[in-house]
Amino acid sequence: DSGVTQTPKHLITATGQRVTLRCSPRSGDLSVYWYQQSLDQGLQFLIQYYNGEERAKGNILERFSAQQFPDLHSELNLSSLELGDSALYFCASSVAGSDYNEQFFGPGTRLTVL
Amino acid sequence: AQKITQTQPGMFVQEKEAVTLDCTYDTSDQSYGLFWYKQPSSGEMIFLIYQGSYDEQNATEGRYSLNFQKARKSANLVISASQLGDSAMYFCAMRLTPGYGGSQGNLIFGKGTKLSVKP
Repeated sequence: DSGVTQTPKHLITATGQRVTLRCSPRSGDLSVYWYQQSLDQGLQFLIQYYNGEERAKGNILERFSAQQFPDLHSELNLSSLELGDSALYFCASSVAGSDYNEQFFGPGTRLTVL
Repeated sequence: AQKITQTQPGMFVQEKEAVTLDCTYDTSDQSYGLFWYKQPSSGEMIFLIYQGSYDEQNATEGRYSLNFQKARKSANLVISASQLGDSAMYFCAMRLTPGYGGSQGNLIFGKGTKLSVKP
């Protein structure tokens, strides 16, 4: 158990819908990273938050957004869903500020868009 | 641009034998970290081993060792005495040190190698 929790574990929805994925980092970790794992794109970095502020953006679509709350949990919002958004979405957390920051991954949320 | 290449989509190994999973990386930065993660069929990402770009010794963690050849930009994972439970996808990843080249420390992954251990 990495100490990172993600809910829900599975999510099935229809095209055009909006969903919210939730992540709670390990206690004391200020950085949260979101990754998408799909069959065709592999594992891709989406976005990073550090202590409530957006720090970096990767290959995140405009239909997707995220935020980190004062209690450090983070939510990834996916809207106007398309079939191609079906993927495993991981949240990872780390203690920022040092050269070696192992990222601890949550169990992932498997999103299926029908 | 930073890139990780894993050229072996799939590998087979006999139980109790050693296996090497290849990983090459591309970066012009001097400060970076290299990671290996294991992803079993259940889907979770399990951290295996880390090598810093300035580490002179190859990293080892139990049955896992990382064969780091900086000049060749390779970071191969060696698993000794393979076990059936080692069957999984293995991902090599690179992380630039925050502040270098604009990085905020996110991981860049290769496409993975599927390892199958035969009894």
